[in-house]
Amino acid sequence: RKEVEQDPGPFNVPEGATVAFNCTYSNSASQSFFWYRQDCRKEPKLLMSVYSSGNEDGRFTAQLNRASQYISLLIRDSKLSDSATYLCVVNIGVGGGNKLTFGTGTQLKVEL
Amino acid sequence: GAVVSQHPSWVICKSGTSVKIECRSLDFQATTMFWYRQFPKQSLMLMATSNEGSKATYEQGVEKDKFLINHASLTLSTLTVTSAHPEDSSFYICSARPPPGLAPNEQFFGPGTRLTVL
Repeated sequence: RKEVEQDPGPFNVPEGATVAFNCTYSNSASQSFFWYRQDCRKEPKLLMSVYSSGNEDGRFTAQLNRASQYISLLIRDSKLSDSATYLCVVNIGVGGGNKLTFGTGTQLKVEL
Repeated sequence: GAVVSQHPSWVICKSGTSVKIECRSLDFQATTMFWYRQFPKQSLMLMATSNEGSKATYEQGVEKDKFLINHASLTLSTLTVTSAHPEDSSFYICSARPPPGLAPNEQFFGPGTRLTVL
């Protein structure tokens, strides 16, 4: 089983749609969680951290369910510029060397 | 956010040659840097953790004699792919972790280096 699993997509949605991505992680000792965005042939860029209480940043909402080891990202009012691959990322913490483990990413294509 | 640079952005080389990639943290001192590799349509895979002033820690399956890492200063880590072969062609990305107390658990990524071995 992969440490971080995501549906690779692609998700093709019309502009203005709401789209949700899910991610599961296998290590219950994981301590911090992130969503990164990666554009084609570019480095990943931090989109937002994910907290158990849920957090929102503009059109983006992230949620963490530690009991189910499940992370989600909701994008409202999709823009063409949201087209990218969204990477679910987990950090096990100091005990694991503070290393980031990446999912394979979910590809989003927003269309006119 | 913090800035991390990589050089070169892309490189094409012949099989059997060695290629050095530099990773620099431009506005903070990084005691720890990470080197990743990403093949097309795959996830970023951590290759090694580079610690300033000490030996790098390699992930399982990564040959330390093939991928030489040097972290000689708090702002520079280098990855040398020795005797490169076509299967080493990939996107190599470094990241740097800021000192404790600043953006805990976050890593700042360089723009990546695309290596093509002919």
